[in-house]
Amino acid sequence: SQQGEEDPQALSIQEGENATMNCSYKTSINNLQWYRQNSGRGLVHLILIRSNEREKHSGRLRVTLDTSKKSSSLLITASRAADTASYFCATEVDDYKLSFGAGTTVTVRA
Amino acid sequence: DAGVTQSPTHLIKTRGQHVTLRCSPISGHKSVSWYQQVLGQGPQFIFQYYEKEERGRGNFPDRFSARQFPNYSSELNVNALLLGDSALYLCASSSSREKLFFGSGTQLSVL
Repeated sequence: SQQGEEDPQALSIQEGENATMNCSYKTSINNLQWYRQNSGRGLVHLILIRSNEREKHSGRLRVTLDTSKKSSSLLITASRAADTASYFCATEVDDYKLSFGAGTTVTVRA
Repeated sequence: DAGVTQSPTHLIKTRGQHVTLRCSPISGHKSVSWYQQVLGQGPQFIFQYYEKEERGRGNFPDRFSARQFPNYSSELNVNALLLGDSALYLCASSSSREKLFFGSGTQLSVL
């Protein structure tokens, strides 16, 4: 079973617009991570937010975490064609073992 | 530095056959994990090895097995292949719990 669930399943935006996707999870966490996957290949780590953090930034990425609601959001600002990918949230359910959601597929139109 | 390398990139097998997938971690990484990703879903944890010992196993049948070698490379073996084993198999290495580095995966098709 998967710990996290992303919403929406798919998102289509114009280049330059912002993209927001959400992740809900079920159990208490130490941290939550976001990964990107291009064209069904390997995943790339984007950002990690710890349970005692509420917001974190990395370049054009902004992640928030609300542990009371067991949810996180990922915002990509000023999207580019290269941001077209699937985005997954992941929570650590055991040492080194991550549980991934089903992902949000983002398409950035030129 | 080289990233995580997996071989082969693509594989076609028939039902009942056996398959071995290989993974070389990033130099210095002692932890290797395997994930299965079925089309349209997120990766599912299969195994994690650290210093050649199995540290975790996901909800997969005994047909799935793995091992880690002294140089920290790893193999994933799947016996008696079923159609449902068709998936992208991802290997990830790490030096900490906070970031996994994934290979490009092996796309397995079972006919």
